[in-house]
Amino acid sequence: DGGITQSPKYLFRKEGQNVTLSCEQNLNHDAMYWYRQDPGQGLRLIYYSQIVNDFQKGDIAEGYSVSREKKESFPLTVTSAQKNPTAFYLCASSIGGQGKEQYFGPGTRLTVT
Amino acid sequence: RKEVEQDPGPFNVPEGATVAFNCTYSNSASQSFFWYRQDCRKEPKLLMSVYSSGNEDGRFTAQLNRASQYISLLIRDSKLSDSATYLCVVNEWSGYSTLTFGKGTMLLVSP
Repeated sequence: DGGITQSPKYLFRKEGQNVTLSCEQNLNHDAMYWYRQDPGQGLRLIYYSQIVNDFQKGDIAEGYSVSREKKESFPLTVTSAQKNPTAFYLCASSIGGQGKEQYFGPGTRLTVT
Repeated sequence: RKEVEQDPGPFNVPEGATVAFNCTYSNSASQSFFWYRQDCRKEPKLLMSVYSSGNEDGRFTAQLNRASQYISLLIRDSKLSDSATYLCVVNEWSGYSTLTFGKGTMLLVSP
């Protein structure tokens, strides 16, 4: 089955720890994205990558980092510099290019205490 | 700043009703438009793209008015399973394709 997988589904961390969220896709999509969703809020773009070894900051990149070493994988690290890391994190991919829809993974709920 | 505005609802309707959602967007250069559906605590799923000429998919009809920067979604013969949050999404292109999401409109369909 083709799709986007994110792991883990739930993640709990102590304040001050870095944590890496996994995102893998086997759709052969060029573009991948990370979003954050808070209760009652729309999705906000953290980082995106149009091709391997290239990525761009989104609207709320501070306190996050990414890498894109393989087409299939786009891991997100939530660093201790992120002031409010507790959120629902969603990874998406698209075939790239203008006007294309994005497809989402099931998400990771991160709780930092 | 790019914005997509939606009435948060909730819209409470009985089964079989027709319901319409509206959405406005601020960036007149927006290229393409979508409606996504998001169930509670799940990921958004693409419901349909929105074309300039309007388009229909079964019980769902989407309309776009570029002059007014307005998008609509009409659901006919509502089912219990239609209960969800509907996200209006706008795509911009500036060498990279990015999506701007509305906060969503919640629909509750009751028996």
